Amino acid sequence: EDKVVQSPLSLVVHEGDTVTLNCSYEVTNFRSLLWYKQEKKAPTFLFMLTSSGIEKKSGRLSSILDKKELFSILNITATQTGDSAVYLCALPRYNFNKFYFGSGTKLNVKP
Amino acid sequence: DGGITQSPKYLFRKEGQNVTLSCEQNLNHDAMYWYRQDPGQGLRLIYYSQIVNDFQKGDIAEGYSVSREKKESFPLTVTSAQKNPTAFYLCASSIAINYEQYFGPGTRLTVT
Repeated sequence: EDKVVQSPLSLVVHEGDTVTLNCSYEVTNFRSLLWYKQEKKAPTFLFMLTSSGIEKKSGRLSSILDKKELFSILNITATQTGDSAVYLCALPRYNFNKFYFGSGTKLNVKP
Repeated sequence: DGGITQSPKYLFRKEGQNVTLSCEQNLNHDAMYWYRQDPGQGLRLIYYSQIVNDFQKGDIAEGYSVSREKKESFPLTVTSAQKNPTAFYLCASSIAINYEQYFGPGTRLTVT
């Protein structure tokens, strides 16, 4: 059965800390893994990863995929209070018709 | 500006009433999706549509119905058969199935 597991479920850090969020998966016919940030309302797209070992980077955020060990990490350096959100990991399902979302990691960055 | 709009932002209904949530996009995307999010849970797929006049059930379609008569529009009806309709509903679209999805602002539905 396909599954996506994110850890930790929640995290509290202080501004300036570095955090690492994990997404482990088991899906048939892996195609891609996506990271989203969800603040108060709709998720916004962060990264799409398709190849192992190639880091995607956007400002203080970066992400990498390990297709051998079946996980991805999302790193946020020098965290700010504006990084407080739920971070969602998503993968296309086995029939390529749907995205399957993990339950998310809730990040709270305190001043 | 291109984007996805959902209306209304907040919706209150009495139990036993059907209610329709609107989702419109002007991104010229073929695929559209409806998700439901409950506190502490991830997004769960209700229905999706790959193309106009076609739609498929997602993981939790019972008690919901959709239509896709126009490319831009994918309304979701929450029927009285849905046992626990109070939730946050998100609509999304993508260029095609399996591409990154862009989300609307969501509708919070409360049924009492």
